[in-house]
Amino acid sequence: DAGVIQSPRHEVTEMGQEVTLRCKPISGHDYLFWYRQTMMRGLELLIYFNNNVPIDDSGMPEDRFSAKMPNASFSTLKIQPSEPRDSAVYFCASSLGSGPLSTDTQYFGPGTRLTVL
Amino acid sequence: AQKVTQAQTEISVVEKEDVTLDCVYETRDTTYYLFWYKQPPSGELVFLIRRNSFDEQNEISGRYSWNFQKSTSSFNFTITASQVVDSAVYFCALSGNTDKLIFGTGTRLQVFP
Repeated sequence: DAGVIQSPRHEVTEMGQEVTLRCKPISGHDYLFWYRQTMMRGLELLIYFNNNVPIDDSGMPEDRFSAKMPNASFSTLKIQPSEPRDSAVYFCASSLGSGPLSTDTQYFGPGTRLTVL
Repeated sequence: AQKVTQAQTEISVVEKEDVTLDCVYETRDTTYYLFWYKQPPSGELVFLIRRNSFDEQNEISGRYSWNFQKSTSSFNFTITASQVVDSAVYFCALSGNTDKLIFGTGTRLQVFP
């Protein structure tokens, strides 16, 4: 079975441009998570979805960031307008279940390395 | 609040040495899960193991072993006879009564030939 798929793997853009990162979770997984990894802040949870519904977006840094999950097999993370401080590796992860009764393993995609010039 | 501490920022060993990566966690949840992930130089995050708070049995998988001790709130990871391919950043993580995974800051392991 295919793992979590992310695209693009690398993105270089100029400040002010819109950036869209894409994720396809593992088929059958109900939860989808977006993380950001930087040297300064480590791995941060940005937002997560359960059955396509956003549950917690408290980690989204500001209004320039938005995420959607229009169906069970696709999610996007958009940054508009992008800034140099958004440069990071963005990971998508999915799991079968989560929470106190069935905290399942999160499987991560390969990540998208974003560079904003 | 939940917290994971990986006090070792970087460890360097020579191939075939045994190495232990420390992980200390804090949580008030009675049911929780602990994880280890590996991030090799290529950048992906690879799941290694999950343990729940009711299972304190140590686990061994090939050269990898994990020691879970609730009394000291630790979930340490040992690599026996390390190899160059073990060079990576290793993350310990905790999940409790929320859907969120709390990561430690990671330990960079360098194995020299």
